[in-house]
Amino acid sequence: DAGVTQSPTHLIKTRGQQVTLRCSPISGHKSVSWYQQVLGQGPQFIFQYYEKEERGRGNFPDRFSARQFPNYSSELNVNALLLGDSALYLCASSLGRQNTEAFFGQGTRLTVV
Amino acid sequence: SQQGEEDPQALSIQEGENATMNCSYKTSINNLQWYRQNSGRGLVHLILIRSNEREKHSGRLRVTLDTSKKSSSLLITASRAADTASYFCATDPSGNTPLVFGKGTRLSVIA
Repeated sequence: DAGVTQSPTHLIKTRGQQVTLRCSPISGHKSVSWYQQVLGQGPQFIFQYYEKEERGRGNFPDRFSARQFPNYSSELNVNALLLGDSALYLCASSLGRQNTEAFFGQGTRLTVV
Repeated sequence: SQQGEEDPQALSIQEGENATMNCSYKTSINNLQWYRQNSGRGLVHLILIRSNEREKHSGRLRVTLDTSKKSSSLLITASRAADTASYFCATDPSGNTPLVFGKGTRLSVIA
């Protein structure tokens, strides 16, 4: 079975631009969460979607948005990019909404210049 | 904000030695999980311990949980060079809220 897949793996954007990151969860998993990991820090929670509805949102500005599609894949959008948005963006899927074991993708490395 | 704090921030040991990492957290939890991350890529789930458990084993891993002290430890026995990675604890406050990760411990195992 394929694990969690994220695309693209690397991305370079200019300040002020917009970016869309994509995530495909493990087949059968209905919950997708997004995390931002700045170098040297642990992952910070951005969003959780379960059954296509937003179930949680972290302390991030409205420039960050996400959605989950009927096939449970997800997109994370970031508008008006700032230098501080440079980070590794991680997607995690899990079977249900409860926090048991989360399966992470390899992440998207976003660099804002 | 990050609830968990791992200690030490970095640890360097020889192959074959045991590695112990600690995690302290601030609020009550439903469960606590440990993850490994290689070279800044995806995280891999290692073990989950529930709030009513005190100790759990998985292969060379041993995790303890002391809810009265709000702390957990991860012991890796007979370490190998392949164990070189960053290790994070993640707390689940209620079962329906997002996992809260610490800053991690960077483990280097020298062959």
